[in-house]
Amino acid sequence: GAVVSQHPSWVICKSGTSVKIECRSLDFQATTMFWYRQFPKQSLMLMATSNEGSKATYEQGVEKDKFLINHASLTLSTLTVTSAHPEDSSFYICSARTSGAPYEQYFGPGTRLTVT
Amino acid sequence: GDSVTQMEGPVTLSEEAFLTINCTYTATGYPSLFWYVQYPGEGLQLLLKATKADDKGSNKGFEATYRKETTSFHLEKGSVQVSDSAVYFCALNRYAAGNKLTFGGGTRVLVKP
Repeated sequence: GAVVSQHPSWVICKSGTSVKIECRSLDFQATTMFWYRQFPKQSLMLMATSNEGSKATYEQGVEKDKFLINHASLTLSTLTVTSAHPEDSSFYICSARTSGAPYEQYFGPGTRLTVT
Repeated sequence: GDSVTQMEGPVTLSEEAFLTINCTYTATGYPSLFWYVQYPGEGLQLLLKATKADDKGSNKGFEATYRKETTSFHLEKGSVQVSDSAVYFCALNRYAAGNKLTFGGGTRVLVKP
């Protein structure tokens, strides 16, 4: 149990285009999901906290207009990278937190974005 | 703010060697502590956790004890296998901080046959 999926697992897009990444909790409900960014050989940086039915909370320094987050249901959150640039190329990882105690977080397998 | 510091890698070991990865933390209150593992090309998996002082988390032969007096949560395994090659992340969260995870920098471990 407690599986989180991400789609796509790998995407290449051209500069200036937008790309959407989906994060799904497959067998549990997640009121809260988190989006992280991971640079090569580095740790995870929390980008934003996504709450079902409300606006996402962004960490300091993360552009909310560039990284659009929508959490429309208890099992789905999406991250849209708008007007992508090569510096947005990274590994994006989501996690979903169970709605009840003990509030465990389960991580998706990640999405590798390459912007050319 | 909260922070986690772990030893830098890479750590290269031979099979059946003893592994220790040091992790110390700074946090107010009473955080929960975690070790996550990331295999090549994959997302993070929870390896073990401890929620209060003196708790020992264990899984797959790995162990870590929550030491509040030294603010540490060192990861150990007595006999590593090639399949343990991965990146290991120490992390903490606090209920008062919305349970957001704070990660250490990660330690890459390479086990050679």
